[in-house]
Amino acid sequence: GDSVTQMEGPVTLSEEAFLTINCTYTATGYPSLFWYVQYPGEGLQLLLKATKADDKGSNKGFEATYRKETTSFHLEKGSVQVSDSAVYFCALSAGGGSNYKLTFGKGTLLTVNP
Amino acid sequence: DTAVSQTPKYLVTQMGNDKSIKCEQNLGHDTMYWYKQDSKKFLKIMFSYNNKELIINETVPNRFSPKSPDKAHLNLHINSLELGDSAVYFCASSHPDGTDTQYFGPGTRLTVL
Repeated sequence: GDSVTQMEGPVTLSEEAFLTINCTYTATGYPSLFWYVQYPGEGLQLLLKATKADDKGSNKGFEATYRKETTSFHLEKGSVQVSDSAVYFCALSAGGGSNYKLTFGKGTLLTVNP
Repeated sequence: DTAVSQTPKYLVTQMGNDKSIKCEQNLGHDTMYWYKQDSKKFLKIMFSYNNKELIINETVPNRFSPKSPDKAHLNLHINSLELGDSAVYFCASSHPDGTDTQYFGPGTRLTVL
């Protein structure tokens, strides 16, 4: 079945450091790929997405590129801020007709210190 | 305007009780979902409905019964609650398209004592 593997956390960085969170996937067909973020005590919010190979999703300084050849969708940010502290989830959407669901990775807790 | 709302936000109850969680979306989406997040933050699909019709039932015990009175609402009823049901339950909605973003509610933290 479909699966998502992402870097185990927790990740602790200083403000302005470079961030990479690795994500690889296994899926049949051509899934869409997502990064969701969960701030403490809140629900999930979409951070960015890519729906086909070589697409780059970007938002709030975060970027990820859909790499079909390596089945990866790594999240990067050049300079993190304290406000980026959250849990980050990589996910894929696959299915057909109206039968779509998100399959999530286990989440990566990021803590950014001032 | 709240896009996806859930009530209650917190639910504390005894083992064996029956409880319900309500979800409403005002985004005009046809598809709604329930996800369960366990204590390690792992998220897993439980159900999806498209236009009031059950589409996905992901090997959830039949103590869990979703109900969709209309396409803007998807409620979750849980019978005979067990300790292992303690989790955060998230409702979400989207268009029935795998490329579409799913919008999540704020979650309901269920604690079974």
